[in-house]
Formats: sequence, structure tokens, C-alpha cells
Amino acid sequence: ETGVTQTPRHLVMGMTNKKSLKCEQHLGHNAMYWYKQSAKKPLELMFVYNFKEQTENNSVPSRFSPECPNSSHLFLHLHTLQPEDSALYLCASSQETTGNTEAFFGQGTRLTVV
Amino acid sequence: GENVEQHPSTLSVQEGDSAVIKCTYSDSASNYFPWYKQELGKRPQLIIDIRSNVGEKKDQRIAVTLNKTAKHFSLHITETQPEDSAVYFCAASSGAGSYQLTFGKGTKLSVIP
Repeated sequence: ETGVTQTPRHLVMGMTNKKSLKCEQHLGHNAMYWYKQSAKKPLELMFVYNFKEQTENNSVPSRFSPECPNSSHLFLHLHTLQPEDSALYLCASSQETTGNTEAFFGQGTRLTVV
Repeated sequence: GENVEQHPSTLSVQEGDSAVIKCTYSDSASNYFPWYKQELGKRPQLIIDIRSNVGEKKDQRIAVTLNKTAKHFSLHITETQPEDSAVYFCAASSGAGSYQLTFGKGTKLSVIP
């Protein structure tokens, strides 16, 4: 699959589990993002990586830990989550040059915390 | 920071009619305004965008208008079709980067055949 791919598509985890979400982009972009999409809420930006360096962390709890080993891969490590963390987690990428800001989204991981 | 308000939250129209979704933003420095469409179970996809140096942009049945003075922008869909049914998100950005995108809450559009 081309574009932005996320795995797994669905994840159910207990509050004491540790799991990771994976995102891979095949677009040659230099910036990657994690968004959280909850029902009846705007898309919430969680983390931004630009040229593999984290440039944004929107006051996300430490139970979410991002990792960006290279400009094509992005992970979100999860541990001791709460039921209210259940949501759709979307990864996106873009090419950060002046005036070019379209974000390409992955299909998302539907996370359920039980 | 930026705050984006989007209305209405739900919209139902008859096939063939027009649909209008409106957004307001708070940061006068915002200069990029994309619209994303998210079909059920699918990823958000950019359908049209506009920059602050342009007042209107059109792409076939879709158009976006921007009023910088009033700080609002709107999405117009004409001759709606059932496949237009989806959730539409507006967003605003004040910098050269999607990381500064602030999204509205979304509008669920239903086109009734």
C-alpha cells in the first residue's frame, strides 16, 4: 500500500498492558504527526516530528510515548492507559516546505482500553 | 492559540441541493485553510484548501470562500450526490506546517437520495 499506513487497524488492551502503534509513510515526507480523534471532538494534535526531531508535544500524558527512528517511521508506545484514551489514533505526514502544508492521513488505529 | 468553530455539526440535504458549512477562526495570523473529508471508516482526505491571499477557490462542485476581515471561511458543495455523505473538517494554520493545523469539530453531511 502506498501513502501512509498504520498498524494495527484495531487494538483492544487492558489498562496494565503495553502496546505500540506503528505508522509508515511512503511519500518521502519529512514531517510526521500523531492525532487523536474522539467522538464529537476535533482532531487533536498529539505529537509532531520534523526531520525526526520532536517539535511539538501538546501536553500529552506521559502514558503516551512517541518514537521516530527515521523520517519514514513513527511509533506511539502505550502503557497504563485509561478507558478515556479509547479513540481513533491517526498518523499523518507532510512535506514541510514553505507554503506546502497538506497532511496525508493513515487509516488510523481504533484503540479500545478495557 | 488558535480556536476553530465549525457549524453546523450535522447537515442533511436532498440530492441535488447545495450544502454550506461554515467555520470561524480566532488567530488573525492564520493564513492556510484546508478542508478534509472523512468517509465512514476511512481516513481524512484533503478536498480543497485556500490561502489568505485568495478570497475564493473552486474545484468542480466544491468551492471555498474566505473572509479575512470577519475571520470566517466556508465550504460550498453544489449539486450534492450521495457519495458526498461524510464528515467534513475545516482547519486553520498560522504557520508553514501542518503541525500548526487546528481542526474544527466536524460536520456530518447526509445527502438523501
